[in-house]
Amino acid sequence: TQLLEQSPQFLSIQEGENLTVYCNSSSVFSSLQWYRQEPGEGPVLLVTVVTGGEVKKLKRLTFQFGDARKDSSLHITAAQPGDTGLYLCAGGAGGTSYGKLTFGQGTILTVHP
Amino acid sequence: DTGVSQNPRHKITKRGQNVTFRCDPISEHNRLYWYRQTLGQGPEFLTYFQNEAQLEKSRLLSDRFSAERPKGSFSTLEIQRTEQGDSAMYLCASSLPGLVNEQFFGPGTRLTVL
Repeated sequence: TQLLEQSPQFLSIQEGENLTVYCNSSSVFSSLQWYRQEPGEGPVLLVTVVTGGEVKKLKRLTFQFGDARKDSSLHITAAQPGDTGLYLCAGGAGGTSYGKLTFGQGTILTVHP
Repeated sequence: DTGVSQNPRHKITKRGQNVTFRCDPISEHNRLYWYRQTLGQGPEFLTYFQNEAQLEKSRLLSDRFSAERPKGSFSTLEIQRTEQGDSAMYLCASSLPGLVNEQFFGPGTRLTVL
């Protein structure tokens, strides 16, 4: 069974601070997605990484896939109140289970003005 | 352009009743997925279709749950004899074929079983 562990589970910071969320597993994933979810809504895809060591930037968000494709991180620079939400990482298994994503339990981020 | 849509958005039912949810994927996406999410957790995979074929089912999907995608377009998820433990957000996602498997989610159906 593939598991993804996210840390921290909760993060409460002031506007302008930087933060990093981690997503770790003992399993190798063929791809890894990061999503952001608002209360009562479905997850919204932020980025997909597929190559070990890959780094992608989306404005103030930087995503990195570990060299061994077992872990990933999300770094937010100068956080804003609009960044508040639940951040989820999800791994694509590949092989015969390439249809499903395995999700971490999420990181609830609150950015105070 | 429309994304993934789900109906209803909210459903309140009494224990023992049957409920059915509908998902309409993005039109050119041939893969469709159902997930369940409880409060404070990430989504958990339930089942997956490629066109009309159901290719994988989770052990979470008990025999009270059934999903169909009869014409390879929309899908339905039915829960028979609902239990309070079925209360959750039911999410549908769709994707194009390929190894990258970027999945796009609908807004979900919030089920409350009283």
